[in-house]
Amino acid sequence: DIQMTQSPSSLSASIGDRVTISCRASDRVYSYLNWYQQKPGKAPQLLIYATSKLQSGVPSRFRGTKSGTDFTLTIDSLQPEDLATYYCQQTYSTPPWTFGQGTKVEIK
Amino acid sequence: QVQLVESGGGVVQPGRSLRLSCAASGFTFNNYGMHWVRQAPGKGLEWVANIWSDGSNLYYRDSVEGRFTVSRDNSKNTVYLQMNSLRAEDTAVYYCAREIISETGTWNWLDPWGHGTLVTVSS
Repeated sequence: DIQMTQSPSSLSASIGDRVTISCRASDRVYSYLNWYQQKPGKAPQLLIYATSKLQSGVPSRFRGTKSGTDFTLTIDSLQPEDLATYYCQQTYSTPPWTFGQGTKVEIK
Repeated sequence: QVQLVESGGGVVQPGRSLRLSCAASGFTFNNYGMHWVRQAPGKGLEWVANIWSDGSNLYYRDSVEGRFTVSRDNSKNTVYLQMNSLRAEDTAVYYCAREIISETGTWNWLDPWGHGTLVTVSS
């Protein structure tokens, strides 16, 4: 199975900061990489699919990029409502579709 | 609107069984594959199982293969997860989620997710 390794596991940033979250695949997943946001006590919600395509309604401060098997979620100008845990997920080939361990974003 | 509502969670003893249900509304259910994803208390997301739109293909994570069975009833717009021989490590919130495939047929993702149902395996 393809393993997804996210880093850092948590971070604390100030409002307006740029935040970057990394996700590395153990094997090629091409652009089959999605990002989900899970706010405290809530179900996950799709943020970005296919590495860089923003789900409808997601603010443009969220960006997804890729370099080889390394993927990055960037939040430009962190907002209070971005307090959440973020997960990457690969959907290359047939399941299992694995998730990263998650990155908890806290506001300073 | 599109909605998924899970039910059937509860407290169960190790070795016993439980069946979860996920009722779908607001979309043509038999056009979509469905997934189960779980989250142990304080932990991350863990993909569990998948069933294709017509039920023709099933996939499971290794740790539940042979113990869990995913099924669906397209006439009732419902997907199920039958969980047998439950273990303490199966304790989690179980979410169902719809699989979306892009118009080009290239990309896929999970959206939306239900609110989840808590399964606690404890003696």
